[in-house]
Amino acid sequence: RKEVEQDPGPFNVPEGATVAFNCTYSNSASQSFFWYRQDCRKEPKLLMSVYSSGNEDGRFTAQLNRASQYISLLIRDSKLSDSATYLCVVISGGYQKVTFGIGTKLQVIP
Amino acid sequence: EAGVTQSPTHLIKTRGQQATLRCSPISGHTSVYWYQQALGLGLQFLLWYDEGEERNRGNFPPRFSGRQFPNYSSELNVNALELEDSALYLCASSPTGQNTEAFFGQGTRLTVV
Repeated sequence: RKEVEQDPGPFNVPEGATVAFNCTYSNSASQSFFWYRQDCRKEPKLLMSVYSSGNEDGRFTAQLNRASQYISLLIRDSKLSDSATYLCVVISGGYQKVTFGIGTKLQVIP
Repeated sequence: EAGVTQSPTHLIKTRGQQATLRCSPISGHTSVYWYQQALGLGLQFLLWYDEGEERNRGNFPPRFSGRQFPNYSSELNVNALELEDSALYLCASSPTGQNTEAFFGQGTRLTVV
Protein backbone atom coordinates (compact mmCIF):
# COMPACT_ATOMS: atom_id res chain seq x y z
CA ARG A 1 0.00 0.00 0.00
CA LYS A 2 1.31 3.44 -0.87
CA GLU A 3 2.10 5.78 1.99
CA VAL A 4 -0.17 8.47 0.60
CA GLU A 5 -2.90 7.77 -1.95
CA GLN A 6 -4.99 10.13 -4.01
CA ASP A 7 -7.38 9.69 -6.90
CA PRO A 8 -5.57 11.36 -9.82
CA GLY A 9 -8.87 12.37 -11.43
CA PRO A 10 -9.48 14.43 -13.44
CA PHE A 11 -12.50 15.83 -11.66
CA ASN A 12 -14.50 17.93 -14.12
CA VAL A 13 -17.01 20.12 -12.33
CA PRO A 14 -19.16 23.08 -13.41
CA GLU A 15 -18.60 26.54 -12.01
CA GLY A 16 -20.35 27.00 -8.70
CA ALA A 17 -20.27 23.33 -7.79
CA THR A 18 -18.92 21.90 -4.57
CA VAL A 19 -16.17 19.34 -4.95
CA ALA A 20 -14.34 17.23 -2.40
CA PHE A 21 -11.09 15.30 -2.56
CA ASN A 22 -9.87 12.67 -0.16
CA CYS A 23 -6.37 11.50 0.53
CA THR A 24 -5.57 8.39 2.55
CA TYR A 25 -2.35 7.72 4.43
CA SER A 26 -0.95 4.49 5.77
CA ASN A 27 1.15 5.59 8.75
CA SER A 28 -1.15 5.98 11.72
CA ALA A 29 1.59 7.90 13.55
CA SER A 30 1.70 10.69 10.96
CA GLN A 31 1.90 14.06 12.60
CA SER A 32 1.14 16.83 10.15
CA PHE A 33 -0.92 17.23 7.03
CA PHE A 34 -1.15 19.82 4.28
CA TRP A 35 -2.83 20.50 0.96
CA TYR A 36 -0.82 21.98 -1.88
CA ARG A 37 -1.97 23.44 -5.15
CA GLN A 38 -0.04 23.06 -8.38
CA ASP A 39 -0.88 25.10 -11.45
CA CYS A 40 0.07 23.85 -14.88
CA ARG A 41 3.83 23.94 -15.45
CA LYS A 42 4.46 25.53 -12.06
CA GLU A 43 5.80 24.23 -8.77
CA PRO A 44 3.40 23.13 -5.99
CA LYS A 45 2.58 25.78 -3.41
CA LEU A 46 1.05 25.44 0.02
CA LEU A 47 -2.72 25.88 0.03
CA MET A 48 -3.56 25.16 3.64
CA SER A 49 -2.68 23.13 6.69
CA VAL A 50 -4.99 20.42 7.99
CA TYR A 51 -5.83 20.26 11.67
CA SER A 52 -7.79 17.69 13.65
CA SER A 53 -10.37 20.36 14.40
CA GLY A 54 -10.71 21.21 10.73
CA ASN A 55 -9.49 24.30 8.95
CA GLU A 56 -11.49 26.72 6.82
CA ASP A 57 -10.17 29.43 4.56
CA GLY A 58 -12.87 31.13 2.53
CA ARG A 59 -14.33 28.58 0.13
CA PHE A 60 -11.84 25.91 1.16
CA THR A 61 -12.25 23.53 4.07
CA ALA A 62 -9.69 20.91 5.08
CA GLN A 63 -10.38 18.13 7.54
CA LEU A 64 -8.50 15.28 9.13
CA ASN A 65 -9.99 11.95 10.11
CA ARG A 66 -7.38 10.12 12.16
CA ALA A 67 -9.57 7.10 12.85
CA SER A 68 -9.97 6.37 9.15
CA GLN A 69 -6.59 7.84 8.22
CA TYR A 70 -7.62 10.30 5.58
CA ILE A 71 -7.66 14.01 4.98
CA SER A 72 -10.13 15.86 2.84
CA LEU A 73 -10.35 19.12 0.94
CA LEU A 74 -13.72 20.67 0.18
CA ILE A 75 -14.06 23.50 -2.34
CA ARG A 76 -17.36 25.35 -2.37
CA ASP A 77 -18.65 27.54 -5.19
CA SER A 78 -15.92 26.42 -7.59
CA LYS A 79 -14.31 29.09 -9.75
CA LEU A 80 -12.56 28.64 -13.08
CA SER A 81 -9.38 29.75 -11.33
CA ASP A 82 -9.60 26.74 -9.01
CA SER A 83 -8.57 24.52 -11.91
CA ALA A 84 -5.30 22.98 -10.80
CA THR A 85 -3.82 19.84 -9.32
CA TYR A 86 -4.26 19.43 -5.58
CA LEU A 87 -1.65 17.42 -3.69
CA CYS A 88 -1.92 16.15 -0.17
CA VAL A 89 1.15 15.99 2.02
CA VAL A 90 1.77 13.89 5.10
CA ILE A 91 4.63 14.37 7.53
CA SER A 92 5.58 11.35 9.60
CA GLY A 93 8.32 9.57 11.44
CA GLY A 94 11.11 10.64 13.71
CA TYR A 95 12.78 12.51 10.88
CA GLN A 96 9.53 14.13 9.83
CA LYS A 97 9.60 12.61 6.39
CA VAL A 98 7.53 14.59 3.91
CA THR A 99 5.43 12.44 1.58
CA PHE A 100 3.40 13.89 -1.28
CA GLY A 101 0.43 12.27 -2.90
CA ILE A 102 0.38 12.00 -6.67
CA GLY A 103 -2.14 14.84 -6.91
CA THR A 104 -5.78 15.16 -7.96
CA LYS A 105 -6.50 17.17 -11.07
CA LEU A 106 -9.48 19.51 -10.92
CA GLN A 107 -10.94 21.14 -14.00
CA VAL A 108 -13.70 23.67 -13.41
CA ILE A 109 -15.72 24.19 -16.57
CA PRO A 110 -17.94 27.15 -17.47
CA GLU B 1 14.53 35.23 2.63
CA ALA B 2 15.54 33.31 -0.47
CA GLY B 3 13.39 30.35 -1.41
CA VAL B 4 14.48 27.03 -2.82
CA THR B 5 16.54 27.62 -5.92
CA GLN B 6 17.14 25.14 -8.70
CA SER B 7 19.48 25.31 -11.63
CA PRO B 8 19.42 25.23 -14.52
CA THR B 9 15.80 26.13 -15.28
CA HIS B 10 15.97 24.32 -18.59
CA LEU B 11 18.30 21.60 -19.79
CA ILE B 12 18.43 19.89 -23.15
CA LYS B 13 20.44 16.70 -23.51
CA THR B 14 20.72 13.93 -26.04
CA ARG B 15 19.96 10.30 -25.34
CA GLY B 16 22.79 8.56 -23.54
CA GLN B 17 24.25 11.71 -22.02
CA GLN B 18 24.36 12.58 -18.35
CA ALA B 19 22.43 15.40 -16.66
CA THR B 20 23.24 17.15 -13.40
CA LEU B 21 20.57 19.16 -11.66
CA ARG B 22 21.21 21.35 -8.62
CA CYS B 23 19.12 22.49 -5.69
CA SER B 24 19.80 24.97 -2.90
CA PRO B 25 17.39 24.64 0.00
CA ILE B 26 16.03 27.42 2.12
CA SER B 27 18.57 28.51 4.71
CA GLY B 28 18.23 26.33 7.79
CA HIS B 29 16.50 23.48 5.98
CA THR B 30 18.39 20.21 6.18
CA SER B 31 16.08 17.94 4.19
CA VAL B 32 15.96 17.96 0.40
CA TYR B 33 13.51 15.98 -1.69
CA TRP B 34 13.65 15.31 -5.42
CA TYR B 35 10.58 14.58 -7.54
CA GLN B 36 10.02 13.83 -11.19
CA GLN B 37 6.91 15.11 -12.89
CA ALA B 38 6.45 13.93 -16.45
CA LEU B 39 4.02 15.88 -18.62
CA GLY B 40 0.45 15.24 -17.51
CA LEU B 41 1.48 12.94 -14.69
CA GLY B 42 1.69 13.39 -10.94
CA LEU B 43 4.66 13.85 -8.69
CA GLN B 44 6.87 10.79 -8.55
CA PHE B 45 9.19 10.63 -5.55
CA LEU B 46 12.85 10.17 -6.45
CA LEU B 47 15.14 10.77 -3.48
CA TRP B 48 15.23 12.20 0.03
CA TYR B 49 18.39 13.55 1.60
CA ASP B 50 18.70 14.69 5.17
CA GLU B 51 21.81 15.79 7.03
CA GLY B 52 23.94 14.60 4.16
CA GLU B 53 22.52 11.09 4.02
CA GLU B 54 20.13 9.39 1.64
CA ARG B 55 17.08 8.57 3.76
CA ASN B 56 14.77 7.12 1.16
CA ARG B 57 14.62 6.33 -2.52
CA GLY B 58 11.72 6.02 -4.90
CA ASN B 59 11.15 3.33 -7.50
CA PHE B 60 13.66 4.58 -10.04
CA PRO B 61 16.61 2.79 -11.66
CA PRO B 62 20.14 3.22 -10.27
CA ARG B 63 21.09 5.63 -13.05
CA PHE B 64 19.17 8.19 -11.00
CA SER B 65 21.45 9.19 -8.15
CA GLY B 66 22.34 12.19 -6.10
CA ARG B 67 24.03 13.57 -3.09
CA GLN B 68 23.75 16.24 -0.48
CA PHE B 69 26.63 18.51 0.38
CA PRO B 70 27.70 19.79 3.81
CA ASN B 71 25.88 23.07 3.12
CA TYR B 72 22.70 20.97 2.48
CA SER B 73 22.54 21.79 -1.20
CA SER B 74 21.93 18.80 -3.39
CA GLU B 75 22.63 17.38 -6.82
CA LEU B 76 20.57 14.97 -8.85
CA ASN B 77 22.45 13.04 -11.50
CA VAL B 78 20.79 11.11 -14.27
CA ASN B 79 23.09 8.88 -16.31
CA ALA B 80 22.48 7.26 -19.67
CA LEU B 81 19.55 9.55 -20.39
CA GLU B 82 16.50 8.09 -22.07
CA LEU B 83 13.78 9.95 -23.93
CA GLU B 84 11.27 9.17 -21.18
CA ASP B 85 13.45 11.00 -18.67
CA SER B 86 12.13 14.23 -20.16
CA ALA B 87 10.21 15.83 -17.31
CA LEU B 88 10.07 18.62 -14.78
CA TYR B 89 12.36 17.82 -11.87
CA LEU B 90 11.29 19.50 -8.66
CA CYS B 91 13.30 19.93 -5.51
CA ALA B 92 11.70 20.66 -2.14
CA SER B 93 13.26 21.46 1.20
CA SER B 94 12.02 21.26 4.76
CA PRO B 95 13.54 21.65 8.20
CA THR B 96 14.21 18.42 10.04
CA GLY B 97 12.52 17.88 13.34
CA GLN B 98 9.70 20.33 12.80
CA ASN B 99 6.25 19.54 11.56
CA THR B 100 6.21 22.23 8.94
CA GLU B 101 5.49 22.17 5.26
CA ALA B 102 8.01 21.67 2.50
CA PHE B 103 8.80 24.39 -0.01
CA PHE B 104 9.45 23.77 -3.68
CA GLY B 105 11.83 25.28 -6.13
CA GLN B 106 10.59 26.22 -9.58
CA GLY B 107 12.04 23.10 -11.08
CA THR B 108 14.39 22.12 -13.87
CA ARG B 109 12.77 21.15 -17.13
CA LEU B 110 14.87 18.42 -18.67
CA THR B 111 14.34 17.57 -22.30
CA VAL B 112 16.04 14.54 -23.78
CA VAL B 113 16.20 14.45 -27.55
